[in-house]
Amino acid sequence: AQTVTQSQPEMSVQEAETVTLSCTYDTSESDYYLFWYKQPPSRQMILVIRQEAYKQQNATENRFSVNFQKAAKSFSLKISDSQLGDAAMYFCAYRRYSGGGADGLTFGKGTHLIIQP
Amino acid sequence: EADIYQTPRYLVIGTGKKITLECSQTMGHDKMYWYQQDPGMELHLIHYSYGVNSTEKGDLSSESTVSRIRTEHFPLTLESARPSHTSQYLCASSALLGAGGLSYNEQFFGPGTRLTVL
Repeated sequence: AQTVTQSQPEMSVQEAETVTLSCTYDTSESDYYLFWYKQPPSRQMILVIRQEAYKQQNATENRFSVNFQKAAKSFSLKISDSQLGDAAMYFCAYRRYSGGGADGLTFGKGTHLIIQP
Repeated sequence: EADIYQTPRYLVIGTGKKITLECSQTMGHDKMYWYQQDPGMELHLIHYSYGVNSTEKGDLSSESTVSRIRTEHFPLTLESARPSHTSQYLCASSALLGAGGLSYNEQFFGPGTRLTVL
């Protein structure tokens, strides 16, 4: 079974600074997807960024980027120029590549990100 | 506007009551999911569906049941609620590969139902 580990229950960063959230995972699969989801206090889960395991290039979405280290099974999220609206729970998630099957996501326990004004 | 909806958003109910949590999506997605988010925030998959008349149990055992009679609708039912069922329930949907070019590996989440059983 796959597992996802987020070792930082809470992180705090000053507004406009950069913060990195850690995630490691365990899988025997070679093809899979990794995600970072954001859950603000309103509690609707929003996709932040996605990485396909077969792609060597790290995904980026505006101020959000990942450092994907497949051999180390590490998938960290870097948030640059942190903004107050970035405050939320961040979940790392894994999904195996199942060729169209309906497998769900395996989530980590989340990291609570606090933005200090 | 294409979206995914859950009702009610909040529900406080007594032990032994039967409840149904509603989930509907207007995105035409074939696949739908239910996740349970415990007070410690961790999420676990409890049910999923490939399409109409398809339902499967997820990674976490749950006393709830689901049905999928219509593509857009995926309700979750608890026949007899107990305090151990107190949790946040999140519904999600995603599209099959090749369905009009939609990405099949991204799940869209509803706002959740926060259930409290007294």
